[in-house]
Amino acid sequence: QVQLQGSGPGLVTPSQTLSLTCTVSGGSISSGGYYWGWIRQHPGKGLEWIGYISYSGNTYYNPSLESRITMAVDTSENQFSLTLTSVTAADTAVYFCARASRGADIWGQGTLVTVSS
Amino acid sequence: EIVLTQSPGTLSLSPGQRATLSCRASQSVSNSYLAWYQQKPGQAPRLLIYGASSRVTGIPDRFSGSESGTDFTLTISRLEPEDFAVYYCHQYGSSPLTFGGGTKVEIK
Repeated sequence: QVQLQGSGPGLVTPSQTLSLTCTVSGGSISSGGYYWGWIRQHPGKGLEWIGYISYSGNTYYNPSLESRITMAVDTSENQFSLTLTSVTAADTAVYFCARASRGADIWGQGTLVTVSS
Repeated sequence: EIVLTQSPGTLSLSPGQRATLSCRASQSVSNSYLAWYQQKPGQAPRLLIYGASSRVTGIPDRFSGSESGTDFTLTISRLEPEDFAVYYCHQYGSSPLTFGGGTKVEIK
C-alpha cells in the first residue's frame, strides 16, 4: 500500500529556509485523483494545514503562509517537497506530509523541525 | 476562514461507555466535506470519517459521524481501550482548510 516518508533537517537557523521532502512508495504520485501536501503541528498543539499540490503542479496554499512557502512535485523521483522561507521560532513544529482526497487519508510519520540558533 | 470549535476539550469516560464529540463550524461546510481524525501520542493522525458520515475502510463500526447544519458529531458507541486518544475535526471544502482544536478522550 501507499506509504509516505518525510525527510529533512531537524534544526534550522532563524531567518533561514526550511526544506522538506516526502517520498511516496507503493504507488505513483502521478496516478491522479489525489493531492499531496503538508500539515504541521506545533508542540502540544493542534493541526495547521500548510498546503497541497497536485501531481500536475497545481498548488493550494494557506493564505497565512503563502508568501513564504513553495511546494513542488518531482514525478521522476515520486517525491514532493516544501520550502518555507524566513523561518522563526513560531515555525517550530512537527511537519507531516500527507495524501489527500476526501480528507488526508495517508500520512507520513512526521518530522520535528526546530528553529533555533 | 471556517472556524471549527470542538467540545468538550476533554472527555473522561470508562471503557464500554459511549463518547459523543462535537464540532461546530462557523459557517456552512461545502458539500459536507468534514472529516474526523484520531491521534495518539507520537503518531500521525488517522482518518476515521470523511464526508461527515462515511467511515474509512477498516475503521470499526463503533465509530460514526453525523451532521446537522453546521454541527457535526463523532460518536464512539462503546469505547475500547485503544480509543483513548485525541480527536480532530477537519473541513476540506473551503480554503484555507482548517482543523478544530481537538477533543481528548481520556480514561476516567
